[in-house]
Amino acid sequence: GENVEQHPSTLSVQEGDSAVIKCTYSDSASNYFPWYKQELGKGPQLIIDIRSNVGEKKDQRIAVTLNKTAKHFSLHITETQPEDSAVYFCAASKETSGSRLTFGEGTQLTVNP
Amino acid sequence: GAGVSQTPSNKVTEKGKYVELRCDPISGHTALYWYRQSLGQGPEFLIYFQGTGAADDSGLPNDRFFAVRPEGSVSTLKIQRTERGDSAVYLCASSPPGLTGANVLTFGAGSRLTVL
Repeated sequence: GENVEQHPSTLSVQEGDSAVIKCTYSDSASNYFPWYKQELGKGPQLIIDIRSNVGEKKDQRIAVTLNKTAKHFSLHITETQPEDSAVYFCAASKETSGSRLTFGEGTQLTVNP
Repeated sequence: GAGVSQTPSNKVTEKGKYVELRCDPISGHTALYWYRQSLGQGPEFLIYFQGTGAADDSGLPNDRFFAVRPEGSVSTLKIQRTERGDSAVYLCASSPPGLTGANVLTFGAGSRLTVL
């Protein structure tokens, strides 16, 4: 089955700096890679996703890059703000109906004001 | 509803008891998923429903766990003879019909289960 590894497990940055979180996956058949943000006491919230037919996707301050050859993908947050502080999870799956998401272990991001 | 609703938000029970956790998905979402999240970990897949049927239950850890979705909307996750190791947050998610939306999951806030 799929295995997703995520690092770092914790990341602390100053407000305004950039943050980068990296993930690797094992199943070359995976073609859908979402990122979720989870705040304390809440469920994961989808913030951005990328499919294997593109190498990069951007949405305002958030961008995701995908390297299918190396089987890794990354989340980039620019101009970080204190409200970006949360746990971020990467995930991978095949893009078929019902295909399970395999999650990484999460990165606790802290943005210091 | 506007989002995925899960009840109860917190459940404390004693070892050996029976527990039911309920999920009300987004209206019109045909697919429903249950995941389990232990402290400090990412969510782990338990079961997937497409309509009323469990299309993939391979993530259920053992036969003490069972889930139903009798009318293709609300789902109930049932845990028999609870053990301390069952303590976790149980997350429900739903996704819309259609291939491009099939994997775009919206999660509920979860039900935190504590087995004493």
